[in-house]
Parts: sequence; C-alpha cells; structure tokens
Amino acid sequence: DAGVTQSPTHLIKTRGQQVTLRCSPKSGHDTVSWYQQALGQGPQFIFQYYEEEERQRGNFPDRFSGHQFPNYSSELNVNALLLGDSALYLCASSPGVRQETQYFGPGTRLLVL
Amino acid sequence: AQSVTQPDIHITVSEGASLELRCNYSYGATPYLFWYVQSPGQGLQLLLKYFSGDTLVQGIKGFEAEFKRSQSSFNLRKPSVHWSDAAEYFCAVGPSNDYKLSFGAGTTVTVRA
Repeated sequence: DAGVTQSPTHLIKTRGQQVTLRCSPKSGHDTVSWYQQALGQGPQFIFQYYEEEERQRGNFPDRFSGHQFPNYSSELNVNALLLGDSALYLCASSPGVRQETQYFGPGTRLLVL
Repeated sequence: AQSVTQPDIHITVSEGASLELRCNYSYGATPYLFWYVQSPGQGLQLLLKYFSGDTLVQGIKGFEAEFKRSQSSFNLRKPSVHWSDAAEYFCAVGPSNDYKLSFGAGTTVTVRA
C-alpha cells in the first residue's frame, strides 16, 4: 500500500513565477492538508481539502491556492513567488474530517531565487 | 488559539542514555496531541498520539509520552537512545473536529557514541 506521495521532490523557481505541487493521498484517505515548513521551523498549516472543497485555511495569502480532484489527489499552487516562499511543502492525508492520524508525504523542497 | 512550545532547541544525548523532550501546549479544550519525528530530508513520521483515556501513551520505536493536563504538557521519553534516534522531533496539537495541526518549532536530537 503506497503512502502519501508528492511530486516533484525538488524545484527551483525565480521570483514572480508560479509553481504547482502535487500530492496523492494514502489509499482510503479522502482529506488532504498542506503545510509549509521553513528552514529550522515547524510545519505551518496552509489549508485542507475535503470533497473537492477548501474546508479550512491557515494564515496564508491568496497567492496560495489549491485544488482537490475526484480521486482525492490535490495540487498546491503558489503565484507571484517570493524569496520567503522557499520551504519544504508537506502534504498530509487522513480519512474524513474529524481528527485522526495524518500521514505525511516526503515533501517538495522549493527554492525561490 | 492553539499553540505549542518546545523549550529545547537542541539536545545531545549519549547512546544508551535516556531522553526526554518537553512539549507545552495552549488550547482551550482537551487537545489531541501528537509527536512526529523527521529525519534529514524526510517527511514527518508519527511516533504516538493522545486522544483520550490513559495519559501514558506508548508509541513506535520504544517512545512513550505522558499527558499532564495540570501542566499543559505532553513530554516525550525514551529509556535508552539508539544512534538512529538522531533526528528532529515535533510536538503538535489539534482540535477534535478538524485536522488543523499546530506544530512546535522542533527539538533536534544528536546522539553521541
């Protein structure tokens, strides 16, 4: 059984560009959450998707948007990249919307130059 | 608002010695509490979780944690550390009705021979 997978593993972009990160949840999971982990810090919640809708959002600007597909996979889009967007982006999946164990993927490391 | 404090940024411990990592949380109701471990370049792996019931929780890799409501703490312990336990450890808190986790800044554990 494959766990949470994310692509790409690494990405380099320049300021002002746009980026799309992808996540496939663990089998049987229908909820996907995205987190940003800056260097030396703990992950910060960006948003959560369930039933193809954004259910919750953390303190991130509208430049950060997402999407969930009918097969429960998800994308994170970041527009107008800033240097400060450089981070490890983690995807986590879980079953349903109530608190259960979240399983994290290996992350996508984004470097903005 | 929920928050997590991990007072120790870095801990060095000898192989075979005991380890205790501190975690203090702030939350308005009974929280759901988690400990995750992150090896270099990796995503987060769940060590253990507390939802309710017995306040002493057993996890994987020989770790345990104790929930103390009066002290708002959820400290992680391991009786005898192995070199493979060198990693970064994150404490997280979340509500019961959604998946938004708040993480501490993490504690880096170094194991010396």
